[in-house]
Amino acid sequence: DAGVTQSPTHLIKTRGQHVTLRCSPISGHKSVSWYQQVLGQGPQFIFQYYEKEERGRGNFPDRFSARQFPNYSSELNVNALLLGDSALYLCASSLEGHHGNTIYFGEGSWLTVV
Amino acid sequence: QKEVEQNSGPLSVPEGAIASLNCTYSDRGSQSFFWYRQYSGKSPELIMFIYSNGDKEDGRFTAQLNKASQYVSLLIRDSQPSDSATYLCAVNRGSVATGFQKLVFGTGTRLLVSP
Repeated sequence: DAGVTQSPTHLIKTRGQHVTLRCSPISGHKSVSWYQQVLGQGPQFIFQYYEKEERGRGNFPDRFSARQFPNYSSELNVNALLLGDSALYLCASSLEGHHGNTIYFGEGSWLTVV
Repeated sequence: QKEVEQNSGPLSVPEGAIASLNCTYSDRGSQSFFWYRQYSGKSPELIMFIYSNGDKEDGRFTAQLNKASQYVSLLIRDSQPSDSATYLCAVNRGSVATGFQKLVFGTGTRLLVSP
């Protein structure tokens, strides 16, 4: 079975632009989360969606938004990009949205804002 | 106090030795705990998942959880140069009632295994 797939893998954007990152969870998984990882730090939680509903949001500005589709895939959108948004964006997938489930990460999307 | 704390390292061990990685957490109500391995330029790879007190073994890896003392550790037996990576400890701060999952990560411990 395929793991968590993310696209694009690398992209370069200019300050002020908008970006959309996409994620397909492991087949059968209904929970998708997004994390941001900057160099030298652990990933930081952005959003979690379970059964197409937002279940939690991290401490990120409103420029960050996400949604989950009926097939459980997800998009992360970031508006008005800042230099500080340059990071590895990780999508995580789990079977259900509770503590008893393992959580797997995709390969990530490397975003560079210039 | 950080929610999840790890020694940043580097932790240097010779090939064949046991590497011991430690992690402490502040929220006593945390339910489940993860160890991820991250190679430079790559995404985190799940190594171990534990939610009951005690030890959990998987091949060369053993995770140890002590909820009373609020620490979780990872032992790597017969360390190999290919184990050289950053090891991230994560705590799930979610809620069973709402289906909420949120991993809170430490900054990671860099492990160097020398041949």
